[in-house]
Amino acid sequence: NAGVTQTPKFRVLKTGQSMTLLCAQDMNHEYMYWYRQDPGMGLRLIHYSVGEGTTAKGEVPDGYNVSRLKKQNFLLGLESAAPSQTSVYFCASTRSSGNYGYTFGSGTRLTVV
Amino acid sequence: AQSVTQLGSHVSVSEGALVLLRCNYSSSVPPYLFWYVQYPNQGLQLLLKYTSAATLVKGINGFEAEFKKSETSFHLTKPSAHMSDAAEYFCAVSDLEYGNKLVFGAGTILRVKS
Repeated sequence: NAGVTQTPKFRVLKTGQSMTLLCAQDMNHEYMYWYRQDPGMGLRLIHYSVGEGTTAKGEVPDGYNVSRLKKQNFLLGLESAAPSQTSVYFCASTRSSGNYGYTFGSGTRLTVV
Repeated sequence: AQSVTQLGSHVSVSEGALVLLRCNYSSSVPPYLFWYVQYPNQGLQLLLKYTSAATLVKGINGFEAEFKKSETSFHLTKPSAHMSDAAEYFCAVSDLEYGNKLVFGAGTILRVKS
């Protein structure tokens, strides 16, 4: 079982560049999430989706966009990267009931210089 | 809004000693509570979860947590620490509103000394 797969695993961007992070899950989960992890701050929710074609803003959405065109994929886009977006990004998914906990990907380490 | 407070960003114990990681939550409704562990350069792995079936919850790797409503706490314990327990631990509460979002604490790094 692949679970949740994130690509790429590492990336270095220059300020102003754009990129897309891909999250793919093979568990037929309805709900998917993008979090960022920064030292001493835990994980903060960027955007989430409760189903194909639907997205919603989380706690820290500014500077990011998302799309959920297929149920198994959830894309996170940075239109114009800033050094403040240097972070580790995690994707997660769960069944719709929510009390199963999340399945996490292994993360994408992004550095913006 | 729900929130989670983890007391102590770093905890150090000797191998074989009791592990106690503290978590307090704020929620206006009966919560779902979770503990996750993160090993270096990896994603988060579910340790255990409270979903109102029992106040004492047993998880993987010998960890357990007790839900205390009166104290709004969900502390994580393990009777005897092992070197392999060294990791970062996150407590989280589920937002039962739209989207079932998890709200995480800031994390506690556990160091195990030989």
